[in-house]
Amino acid sequence: LAKTTQPISMDSYEGQEVNITCSHNNIATNDYITWYQQFPSQGPRFIIQGYKTKVTNEVASLFIPADRKSSTLSLPRVSLSDTAVYYCLVGRNQGGKLIFGQGTELSVKP
Amino acid sequence: SQTIHQWPATLVQPVGSPLSLECTVEGTSNPNLYWYRQAAGRGLQLLFYSVGIGQISSEVPQNLSASRPQDRQFILSSKKLLLSDSGFYLCAWRRQGNTEAFFGQGTRLTVV
Repeated sequence: LAKTTQPISMDSYEGQEVNITCSHNNIATNDYITWYQQFPSQGPRFIIQGYKTKVTNEVASLFIPADRKSSTLSLPRVSLSDTAVYYCLVGRNQGGKLIFGQGTELSVKP
Repeated sequence: SQTIHQWPATLVQPVGSPLSLECTVEGTSNPNLYWYRQAAGRGLQLLFYSVGIGQISSEVPQNLSASRPQDRQFILSSKKLLLSDSGFYLCAWRRQGNTEAFFGQGTRLTVV
């Protein structure tokens, strides 16, 4: 499984766009990149998944450069309720292990 | 629709006592099942995962064990709890061949 590296914490203000970058230099050809969000005392929740280029849904966008050695989760116009820990995972869509790193603790301030 | 049930929500146990946490999934068959532990202010640590009945993979050597007696039931156990076993325990499932995982509400275990 490819190791991932994310910033431990980030601060932002309401209404700003937040970009969280994850490094995964050892990503394999068949690996997908998935992001989860976790609020305190809750289990993580799936946000978005991608393989290459750009993926967008109603919550976020995921940007993946051509070499796929990193990815950026983009949260447009964050609100206080986006304060959470965000995890980047890299792995195959084949079941088995699901490893979470330390995540990025995002704090959104008014 | 699929749902995951995990109980109890909170648990306070004395050191040396046994533990049994149960997790069940409804609305799907042959899921991958997972047990995680999260210490305060830390990331999720994968403890066990299972790709089928009776198939358990352990990620971290410790005094915990897991069993999968039925397709959609996953149990986390300990014969004698340690203070270091305190934490937030999460059960999760995902379909074979799909990265998106779904988590239960968690059990906050305090060993005193």
